Amino acid sequence: ETGVTQSPTHLIKTRGQQVTLRCSSQSGHNTVSWYQQALGQGPQFIFQYYREEENGRGNFPPRFSGLQFPNYSSELNVNALELDDSALYLCASSFSGASLFGPGTRLLVL
Amino acid sequence: AQTVTQSQPEMSVQEAETVTLSCTYDTSESNYYLFWYKQPPSRQMILVIRQEAYKQQNATENRFSVNFQKAAKSFSLKISDSQLGDTAMYFCAFMKRMYSGGGADGLTFGKGTHLIIQP
Repeated sequence: ETGVTQSPTHLIKTRGQQVTLRCSSQSGHNTVSWYQQALGQGPQFIFQYYREEENGRGNFPPRFSGLQFPNYSSELNVNALELDDSALYLCASSFSGASLFGPGTRLLVL
Repeated sequence: AQTVTQSQPEMSVQEAETVTLSCTYDTSESNYYLFWYKQPPSRQMILVIRQEAYKQQNATENRFSVNFQKAAKSFSLKISDSQLGDTAMYFCAFMKRMYSGGGADGLTFGKGTHLIIQP
């Protein structure tokens, strides 16, 4: 079992910039989800990809977008960063209803 | 839309004691999963236990067990013989069961309970 990995672990950006976060899924998992966790809060669902297609989205604007690749790795892209985008971003790969989370990327927007 | 409520922001118990964390949820779905996740200071979200709503039997995983009351929409977590390593944030989460061609809502999390195990 390889687990879920994410890169980078920490990132600092300035308001208005764009950022790409990366996730490598657990082997055999064809579904990947992304979550935003603000400090002291539970994670909030951003979107989910299944077989390279987005098949679910939470209450996040279109400047949050993603990709899933044939090897099931994934990217989260955020355009026009805002201060409120500062958070821990978690990737989760899943199969048959159980999600396995990565260690997250801590994003700070100044 | 689903909501998950954890009414205990923080709990503290002595090592070896038993502790119960509360969770209630609201949904109109009939088929769903419920989860407890643990997030230690290292921030990695770790699955503790999973319950499928159609199963009446409460799930157990070693020292961890749940009390699932579907009619009351309650899903509490009991930790027996608590250990120092159990210190973490605990999140209750809901996910509707996916069917082929259906959209996904992902996991809906509560705000969490910070559990502290005292030596």
